[in-house]
Amino acid sequence: QKEVEQNSGPLSVPEGAIASLNCTYSDRVSQSFFWYRQYSGKSPELIMSIYSNGDKEDGRFTAQLNKASQYVSLLIRDSQPSDSATYLCAVISYGNKLVFGAGTILRVKS
Amino acid sequence: ETGVTQTPRHLVMGMTNKKSLKCEQHLGHNAMYWYKQSAKKPLELMFVYSLEEGVENNSVPSRFSPECPNSSHLFLHLHTLQPEDSALYLCASSLSWVGAGSTDTQYFGPGTRLTVL
Repeated sequence: QKEVEQNSGPLSVPEGAIASLNCTYSDRVSQSFFWYRQYSGKSPELIMSIYSNGDKEDGRFTAQLNKASQYVSLLIRDSQPSDSATYLCAVISYGNKLVFGAGTILRVKS
Repeated sequence: ETGVTQTPRHLVMGMTNKKSLKCEQHLGHNAMYWYKQSAKKPLELMFVYSLEEGVENNSVPSRFSPECPNSSHLFLHLHTLQPEDSALYLCASSLSWVGAGSTDTQYFGPGTRLTVL
């Protein structure tokens, strides 16, 4: 079983819609969760971090964490073509390593 | 621009060559990392260097060897690589070692695109 799993996509949404990106993880003791955005040919950049169950909002982005279900998601409201990128979920896992998922490709169509 | 630079940005090498990748950060961070990113695969942590722990090898073959002469510079020495080692090599840094309770953000450099012929 992969430690961090994401649907590879691509996930296509129309401009202005809500994009919902999902991630599951296998290590029950994980405490820290991150979402990175990576544009094609560029390096990852951190957009959200979340440590407690519930929602965390930052502008158009909302991260949701459910530790009981081992599930973390990222919602992007009012999606823009500039949001088109690969979104990487990362979890601090056993051994205090930051483990990444393979990423979900998001395409926002105007 | 995140404050983490990497050189070279692109590198083509033969299997018998020896080359080095360089990473530099002037953010005052105390932990630096090497990651490998292959197509369609997750980012793989290769090495961690931190003031607290020194160099930590994440089960990486010996044809890759890190060197950290000071807290601002990190090298990845390459020798007798294989074609399957072709990938994007990313350097990152954080204020302290991510893990051990730290939640410090990791900042990534632009990466070195490595091709092994």
